[in-house]
Amino acid sequence: EAQVTQNPRYLITVTGKKLTVTCSQNMNHEYMSWYRQDPGLGLRQIYYSMNVEVTDKGDVPEGYKVSRKEKRNFPLILESPSPNQTSLYFCASSLDRTSNYGYTFGSGTRLTVV
Amino acid sequence: GEDVEQSLFLSVREGDSSVINCTYTDSSSTYLYWYKQEPGAGLQLLTYIFSNMDMKQDQRLTVLLNKKDKHLSLRIADTQTGDSAIYFCAETRPFNDYKLSFGAGTTVTVRA
Repeated sequence: EAQVTQNPRYLITVTGKKLTVTCSQNMNHEYMSWYRQDPGLGLRQIYYSMNVEVTDKGDVPEGYKVSRKEKRNFPLILESPSPNQTSLYFCASSLDRTSNYGYTFGSGTRLTVV
Repeated sequence: GEDVEQSLFLSVREGDSSVINCTYTDSSSTYLYWYKQEPGAGLQLLTYIFSNMDMKQDQRLTVLLNKKDKHLSLRIADTQTGDSAIYFCAETRPFNDYKLSFGAGTTVTVRA
């Protein structure tokens, strides 16, 4: 089944403890992206990647890192999480950056930083 | 997102039509999308429309695009309880690396 898989689905952590949220897609998509969803703000793009080893900042990159060593994986790294990073995170992928047919989204990771 | 605006809530009676509205600011938008998010789930692409089209119909869904007013709407005919969800309007622009920009989402509640 074609899908984007994120792990974990739920995570509670403490301020400053490094964490990684994994994202993997099995559709051979070139374009991958991370979004965070906050009430009243919709989805805001954190980082995106147009291909292996090519990443760039989105609208809200502060406090996050990403890597794209392989086409299928695009992990999101929080080196020192803070409470304002408590949010619902989505990974998405598309065939290419034009996203003519829309993106495929993962099921989300709900992160709480205390 | 400030580039894409939607009203936050809509309540509709089962069997009636729902109309969800969206406005966007950039006339260079190429594709406009409607996504649906059910509780606890990711976003599911419902439909999309290219900027040179005025209307697109897909079963119970009708998308209307008014480029002059930069207004997009989604009409759901014969609304059912399973249509209760958050609906996001989104756009991409060629000069913004085709980034998908979302509105804040409209929470649609279908009442019996």
